[in-house]
Parts: sequence; structure tokens; C-alpha cells
Amino acid sequence: DAGVIQSPRHEVTEMGQEVTLRCKPISGHDYLFWYRQTMMRGLELLIYFNNNVPIDDSGMPEDRFSAKMPNASFSTLKIQPSEPRDSAVYFCASSLAPSYEQYFGPGTRLTVT
Amino acid sequence: GENVEQHPSTLSVQEGDSAVIKCTYSDSASNYFPWYKQELGKGPQLIIDIRSNVGEKKDQRIAVTLNKTAKHFSLHITETQPEDSAVYFCAAKATGFQKLVFGTGTRLLVSP
Repeated sequence: DAGVIQSPRHEVTEMGQEVTLRCKPISGHDYLFWYRQTMMRGLELLIYFNNNVPIDDSGMPEDRFSAKMPNASFSTLKIQPSEPRDSAVYFCASSLAPSYEQYFGPGTRLTVT
Repeated sequence: GENVEQHPSTLSVQEGDSAVIKCTYSDSASNYFPWYKQELGKGPQLIIDIRSNVGEKKDQRIAVTLNKTAKHFSLHITETQPEDSAVYFCAAKATGFQKLVFGTGTRLLVSP
């Protein structure tokens, strides 16, 4: 398997623009997680899905953030409108179950100017 | 909710020395404790994990110990090599919860 795939790897955008990050989990994994990593706050869980259903979005910082999982092989994290403080590395991870290994993707480095 | 503290934030050792990273957790219901290694420009990768029914687990040069009474767990790396240089994260997950709570990370630098 190719592992968790994320695109784009780098995104530079201007404040106010819409940003969409994409993730393809490992086939057969029922859980998908979106994380944000910054120097100040470390690795934060934003939202996770089980069998394509959002289970806990308490980590989503604001209404500007939204996530979807239309099918078992694809998820998106959207920020609209983007702000400079959203600049971070966003990771997607998937696992068979919560107490099993989470496999992380390579991340998307987002820079909002 | 669960809170995980990790120390030290940075650790510098000479090649061949041992390195120890320590974490404490707050929720006595936590029962799964993984350790992740993150190399520059990459996502975290699981290197070892331990569940609350064991006190120690080894895998070649790395080992993890768990003290449930004190609510702390540690990562031990022996015979360190330059390729061990990375950021290491501990995490904890409680029974009935689906989320991993991560520590703040330790930057390990192994000098040749």
C-alpha cells in the first residue's frame, strides 16, 4: 500500500482565500484523523471520522474550518476564509481502530500571507 | 480530559550514549501509550507502543516502561546513532475515548 496520501504538499495562499486539503487513507482503515501541528501548540487533533461519519469535531478551531469524508477513500479539510494564524502543517492519519497504530501522511504545509 | 506532559523538550547526546524521554499522563483510565518519531519534513511514525497490562516492552535498541501507579511512561534508546536524531512524541489514550492525546515533543540530537 502507498500509505496515507495527502495533497498538496505545500500551499501558499493569501488571507481570505479558500483552502482545501485532501487526504486518501490507507485502504481498509475505518478511522481517519485530521491534525494540525504548530510550534506553539504542538500536534492537535481537529476532527476524526469513523466509517466516513464525523465523530468528534471539538478540536476544529472555528466555523471557518470544515471537514468531509464523502467515501471511504477520500477526505477534505477546508478553510474558508483563511487567515495568517492558520499557517501550520496539517496531517491526515488513518487506523484500523483507535487503539491500533495511526499511520500519518506526509502532511500539507500551509502558509497564509 | 487527558493531559500529557513530556520532558525534556530537547536532548543532546553523543553517539553510543543512551537517551531517555519521560512522559506523565493525568487520566488513570488511559490504557494505550504509543511513541512516535518524526523526521524533518515527514509525518510522525509509530516506533513502539505499550498497553497498560504490561510494564515494559523492548524492540532492539528501544524500550518503553510504564508505571501505572505514578502515571508515567518513558522511552529508552540505547546505543544511539545519528539517524536517531528526530522529534519524539509520546501519546496516551483512555478506555472509551477514541482520541490520542500527544505530548509536546522532544527534539533528540545525536552527535557523531
